[in-house]
Amino acid sequence: EDKVVQSPLSLVVHEGDTVTLNCSYEVTNFRSLLWYKQEKKAPTFLFMLTSSGIEKKSGRLSSILDKKELFSILNITATQTGDSAVYLCARGSNYKLTFGKGTLLTVNP
Amino acid sequence: NAGVTQTPKFQVLKTGQSMTLQCAQDMNHNSMYWYRQDPGMGLRLIYYSASEGTTDKGEVPNGYNVSRLNKREFSLRLESAAPSQTSVYFCASRETNWDTEAFFGQGTRLTVV
Repeated sequence: EDKVVQSPLSLVVHEGDTVTLNCSYEVTNFRSLLWYKQEKKAPTFLFMLTSSGIEKKSGRLSSILDKKELFSILNITATQTGDSAVYLCARGSNYKLTFGKGTLLTVNP
Repeated sequence: NAGVTQTPKFQVLKTGQSMTLQCAQDMNHNSMYWYRQDPGMGLRLIYYSASEGTTDKGEVPNGYNVSRLNKREFSLRLESAAPSQTSVYFCASRETNWDTEAFFGQGTRLTVV
């Protein structure tokens, strides 16, 4: 199975808060875990994770993969209104790329 | 760099009409994908093509057909459109011989009335 489960499905925070988004996946043929941000148009790439325990970081965003427990988290620190978006995670297997339902993040001023 | 080009951007169809969504990538990627996106449902995989000459069903293939015409192009056909196929459709490509990010087209907003 290719199931990808994201939580929470939606989240409302205030500017300056730190958020953690979760993504769990099924292990069969797993090769990579990808995070995307989507704002009313095509998804834009954030991170790709293939190794357990190695944090990837870009500005206020960071992500890490746990291949033993089969999950990944995306952290956003000091949130801004421009972070409001749907965050999608995707599981790459041999050739398939399967997405979760996404987390709708709303950052209020 | 064009990346992934998807046409058309918008389309309105009557129930029962047919149409083909076109997708082309210029990054020499081996794998290509068609997704549909409905509110609250994320991206659901319709069909994918691991390499030129192969296609496989995803989660929601019913009512659709695909053609991997060559390495660059992957088209999605609706033979007899239904209102349930009203959605935003995205094409994507990635290199899967060594894993890369997936690159997306700009999407097609399809309405079936």
